Amino acid sequence: ELKVEQNPLFLSMQEGKNYTIYCNYSTTSDRLYWYRQDPGKSLESLFVLLSNGAVKQEGRLMASLDTKARLSTLHITAAVHDLSATYFCAVYRQNSGGSNYKLTFGKGTLLTVNP
Amino acid sequence: DGGITQSPKYLFRKEGQNVTLSCEQNLNHDAMYWYRQDPGQGLRLIYYSQIVNDFQKGDIAEGYSVSREKKESFPLTVTSAQKNPTAFYLCASSIPQRANRPLQYFGAGTRLSVL
Repeated sequence: ELKVEQNPLFLSMQEGKNYTIYCNYSTTSDRLYWYRQDPGKSLESLFVLLSNGAVKQEGRLMASLDTKARLSTLHITAAVHDLSATYFCAVYRQNSGGSNYKLTFGKGTLLTVNP
Repeated sequence: DGGITQSPKYLFRKEGQNVTLSCEQNLNHDAMYWYRQDPGQGLRLIYYSQIVNDFQKGDIAEGYSVSREKKESFPLTVTSAQKNPTAFYLCASSIPQRANRPLQYFGAGTRLSVL
């Protein structure tokens, strides 16, 4: 059974600081997704990482994927208050027959950026 | 505009009552999914459907039922057998082989509470 672990689960940081959120997963997968969720809202897609060594950047966020280590990171550079949200990683999984595919989500990291 | 519409936004259930959450998409996506989100938790998969007239149980299907009679619609019924239904329910859809796009697009969610 695929397990996805994020850490930290809670992150409080000051504006202007850098930090990294980690996403570890237990079985082989070559696709990983990062989503953002604002309180009471739906999920917004941030990044799609499709291969080993993939790196994507958007503004102050950068995501990377190491499929050999089964690890993805979401790096925050010079945080601003608008980045306060919950961030989820989700790992793609497919059954052995290749006919069914779905995502397994981590528990999320609640990020609070303080002035 | 294309998207996923969930209704109602808020729903209250009485003891012993079945309630149905609606999910409609006009994105022409083949696959649709239902997730449950509890506070401080990630998303857990309830049911999913890859094609019309077919659906599969997810990780927490007990106490729920679905149907997929049309491509656009994937309603979720929370039955009286689900003893702890209070949660935020999210519907998603996807084009399975479009790897460069986010795997799943999410609706705005339905918040279900027990009276």
